[in-house]
Amino acid sequence: GAVVSQHPSWVICKSGTSVKIECRSLDFQATTMFWYRQFPKQSLMLMATSNEGSKATYEQGVEKDKFLINHASLTLSTLTVTSAHPEDSSFYICSAGTHQPQHFGDGTRLSIL
Amino acid sequence: GIQVEQSPPDLILQEGANSTLRCNFSDSVNNLQWFHQNPWGQLINLFYIPSGTKQNGRLSATTVATERYSLLYISSSQTTDSGVYFCAVPPVSQGGSEKLVFGKGTKLTVNP
Repeated sequence: GAVVSQHPSWVICKSGTSVKIECRSLDFQATTMFWYRQFPKQSLMLMATSNEGSKATYEQGVEKDKFLINHASLTLSTLTVTSAHPEDSSFYICSAGTHQPQHFGDGTRLSIL
Repeated sequence: GIQVEQSPPDLILQEGANSTLRCNFSDSVNNLQWFHQNPWGQLINLFYIPSGTKQNGRLSATTVATERYSLLYISSSQTTDSGVYFCAVPPVSQGGSEKLVFGKGTKLTVNP
């Protein structure tokens, strides 16, 4: 079946650094991918829609300059958290699929010290 | 936007017990998915069920689209069933997008 790979699965870094998270569709091409964020003990919230070859669409309240999304190929979307701060610590997870249902990556646990 | 409510928020069971989780949504949908998030954070697709009933082993789900709710049944629960169960629907009524709005989840704990 369709598989979505996300990397890294876990990252710890110092405040002020930038962190890049990759989301790959392994056996299908995805013109659209989605990025979600989940704070501890909360639900998943959509951050942005990643569109291959064009700008991402961000949900209300999500800073596009802080969360840079690049979807340069049909199998790869990246989310870069720029100048990360402790409040950006969260679980980030992507999804992709050519149709319903969407398939989710295993997520990235980001901890900013 | 569409509202998704799940109940109960927490559920504790003894191994072997059965349970029913509920998901109510505020508008018509053409997509509904149930997920299990395990303690490591992995989100597992359980059912894609915009309407009707489906079964997969000890799990089954029913969506009554006209009444805007879905139920997830877990029978003969096992400790590995522990985790958080989410339902999710498109953000716009009859939306064709693949993006999803998640409910707040039901945290299930199955004790041995």
